[in-house]
Amino acid sequence: RKEVEQDPGPFNVPEGATVAFNCTYSNSASQSFFWYRQDCRKEPKLLMSVYSSGNEDGRFTAQLNRASQYISLLIRDSKLSDSATYLCGSLRSQGNLIFGKGTKLSVKP
Amino acid sequence: NAGVMQNPRHLVRRRGQEARLRCSPMKGHSHVYWYRQLPEEGLKFMVYLQKENIIDESGMPKERFSAEFPKEGPSILRIQQVVRGDSAAYFCASSPISSYNEQFFGPGTRLTVL
Repeated sequence: RKEVEQDPGPFNVPEGATVAFNCTYSNSASQSFFWYRQDCRKEPKLLMSVYSSGNEDGRFTAQLNRASQYISLLIRDSKLSDSATYLCGSLRSQGNLIFGKGTKLSVKP
Repeated sequence: NAGVMQNPRHLVRRRGQEARLRCSPMKGHSHVYWYRQLPEEGLKFMVYLQKENIIDESGMPKERFSAEFPKEGPSILRIQQVVRGDSAAYFCASSPISSYNEQFFGPGTRLTVL
């Protein structure tokens, strides 16, 4: 089992929709998690950090479920500009991030 | 406050040549991480460095790859005798003093091996 797994998608949703992605992790010792968005041929950009139960920033909400070992990202009122690949990262005790392969989101007009 | 800087942005090498990729972390950041992203693949950790120290190189291939972060100047990822399979995007990230802070990525270097 991979350390971090994501549904690759693609998720095709209309503008204004609410969409949620899950990311599962296998290392129960992981303490910190991050969501990044990556546009095609660009660098990952930090979207949200998740250290405890969850975090909210505008239309974006991230939640951590330690019992089931997954984190989720909820995007409300999707915009065309939200189209990207969303990467889930788990911080290892050594300090480096382990990423899932990403979930591709496409928001259509 | 300038972000993480990487150069060159694009690098073309022939098989057998050497590739040198440079990364300057954000101001105030003393931790540098190198990741590689192959086409249609996720980001894979390669090496974690602080000034003059390699903290974790568990993701580095055993041969041909090396990294350094000298006291002065940028971090360097060096690939000797490149092969076609080295073609990828190489991203550098940096974080502040505590390694448990968020990591911010540079724009990457796209290496193409002919």
